[in-house]
Amino acid sequence: RKEVEQDPGPFNVPEGATVAFNCTYSNSASQSFFWYRQDCRKEPKLLMSVYSSGNEDGRFTAQLNRASQYISLLIRDSKLSDSATYLCVVNAPGNTPLVFGKGTRLSVIA
Amino acid sequence: GAGVSQTPSNKVTEKGKYVELRCDPISGHTALYWYRQSLGQGPEFLIYFQGTGAADDSGLPNDRFFAVRPEGSVSTLKIQRTERGDSAVYLCASSLGSGRTWNEQFFGPGTRLTVL
Repeated sequence: RKEVEQDPGPFNVPEGATVAFNCTYSNSASQSFFWYRQDCRKEPKLLMSVYSSGNEDGRFTAQLNRASQYISLLIRDSKLSDSATYLCVVNAPGNTPLVFGKGTRLSVIA
Repeated sequence: GAGVSQTPSNKVTEKGKYVELRCDPISGHTALYWYRQSLGQGPEFLIYFQGTGAADDSGLPNDRFFAVRPEGSVSTLKIQRTERGDSAVYLCASSLGSGRTWNEQFFGPGTRLTVL
């Protein structure tokens, strides 16, 4: 089983739609969780950190389910500018490297 | 403020040559990370520095890869005897290294390495 698994998509949704991505992780000791956004041929940019039961930032909501070892990202009222690849990232305790999923591609269509 | 910068942005080299890739982290960030990313994949960890020392180099694929950070700021990733399989985007990231957000990492624009 891969350490971090994501559905690669693509998810093609109309503007204004709500879309959700899930990500599962294999290391039950993982402590830190993040969602990064990556545009084509650009670097990943931190979208949200998920430290406890989840958090919300505007149209974006991230949830963590430790029992089932998955993280979700919900995007409400999708904009064309939300089109990107969303990377799920997990970190075990201590000074351990971040582990990235392969990413989920989202295309928001007018 | 200034983000993470990387030079060069693109590097084309021939198989067997030596290359150096440079990363300048965000000022005040003590932790620095190198990743590489191939098409359709997420970034793959290579090495992590806390200050001047390599805290974890378990991701370096073999002994052709080496990285330094002599003064705890700028880092150089060095690749000897390059192979075509080394072609990828090499990403550098930095983080505060302490505090609640110690490992929120901010990435540079990357160096696209092509080995012919």
